[in-house]
Amino acid sequence: EAGVAQSPRYKIIEKRQSVAFWCNPISGHATLYWYQQILGQGPKLLIQFQNNGVVDDSQLPKDRFSAERLKGVDSTLKIQPAKLEDSAVYLCASSLGNEETQYFGPGTRLLVL
Amino acid sequence: DQQVKQNSPSLSVQEGRISILNCDYTNSMFDYFLWYKKYPAEGPTFLISISSIKDKNEDGRFTVFLNKSAKHLSLHIVPSQPGDSAVYFCAASPDSNYQLIWGAGTKLIIKP
Repeated sequence: EAGVAQSPRYKIIEKRQSVAFWCNPISGHATLYWYQQILGQGPKLLIQFQNNGVVDDSQLPKDRFSAERLKGVDSTLKIQPAKLEDSAVYLCASSLGNEETQYFGPGTRLLVL
Repeated sequence: DQQVKQNSPSLSVQEGRISILNCDYTNSMFDYFLWYKKYPAEGPTFLISISSIKDKNEDGRFTVFLNKSAKHLSLHIVPSQPGDSAVYFCAASPDSNYQLIWGAGTKLIIKP
């Protein structure tokens, strides 16, 4: 069974630029999560989708971050414009449903200069 | 406000001995707890979980203990193996929506 795929694996941009991350969850998984993990901290949930609807985006900085999950499968997370403090690893995870084990992708490491 | 705390950033254990990783939480509404393991350049991998109705859950070399009165849980690995060297995250779920609150992680180093 293929795992959660994410791209790119690494991205370096300058502040005020835009960046987008892509996630392909495990086939059949209805729930998709985007996390931000800053160095030395645990992952912090940014947004959770159930199929193509948003379950929780309370910690998503909506003035600069946006996410979508068209057709309830792949998802993209965008940052526009990026700030220095956005430097982190962005993890995508998926699960069968809300209460199932979450499976993580390898993450995208973002460095904002 | 850290609701889930892992106070040891790192832990070094001799191969073959027991590794004990600790986690404390502050929110009494948490009712489901998980441990994830993370290797460098990979995403976290689910290891073991425990619900608040139990005080122990065992899976092979891994055992998680939950002390609800102390708001404390621990992960025991016996015997420790070199492949266990990784960062271990404790996470807790406050409600049935399964939104996880994560600790900062403990880096476990198994010495040969």
